[in-house]
Amino acid sequence: AQKVTQAQTEISVVEKEDVTLDCVYETRDTTYYLFWYKQPPSGELVFLIRRNSFDEQNEISGRYSWNFQKSTSSFNFTITASQVVDSAVYFCALSDGANFGNEKLTFGTGTRLTIIP
Amino acid sequence: DADVTQTPRNRITKTGKRIMLECSQTKGHDRMYWYRQDPGLGLRLIYYSFDVKDINKGEISDGYSVSRQAQAKFSLSLESAIPNQTALYFCATSDSIDRGRSMNTGELFFGEGSRLTVL
Repeated sequence: AQKVTQAQTEISVVEKEDVTLDCVYETRDTTYYLFWYKQPPSGELVFLIRRNSFDEQNEISGRYSWNFQKSTSSFNFTITASQVVDSAVYFCALSDGANFGNEKLTFGTGTRLTIIP
Repeated sequence: DADVTQTPRNRITKTGKRIMLECSQTKGHDRMYWYRQDPGLGLRLIYYSFDVKDINKGEISDGYSVSRQAQAKFSLSLESAIPNQTALYFCATSDSIDRGRSMNTGELFFGEGSRLTVL
């Protein structure tokens, strides 16, 4: 069975600080996909990134970066120079490799991030 | 207008009532999904459909049924609502890799959510 653990339930940091959100996953599949979604206070779910299990390169997108390490089954998300607009609940998710990996996402329980002005 | 539209956005009902949540999309995607979000539990998959003739149970399908009326429409029904079905429900769509689109990121496109309260 697949499982995603986001051990940090809530995090608060002061604006401009860097913050890392942890994600640890479990799967028996050799091919799988990892995702991060953002849920701002308005409630919608916003896609941030998808990574397949064969690509361990770290990714950077502006202030966002992701560190994928198969050796520790982790896919951590770092926000650099945080801003108030980053305040949201962030979900990590995992799916198997069938059908491009987007039909049976297993979500973590989410991390609520609050950026203090 | 949103690409994935859910109605109603909010609904309060009583135990035992039949409830239908509707989802329509203009993205032209083949795949549609219903997820449920509960505080502290994240999102869990209820049902998913890869095309009009394909319906599959997800992780928590008991107490729910679905109907895929057309490629663009996917409805979720609670035949006899109970209080522990109080939750935020999300419809989502995704594209199929079969189209060979190199820009397909595997992203799920979510609706704005339907908040259901069962008293």
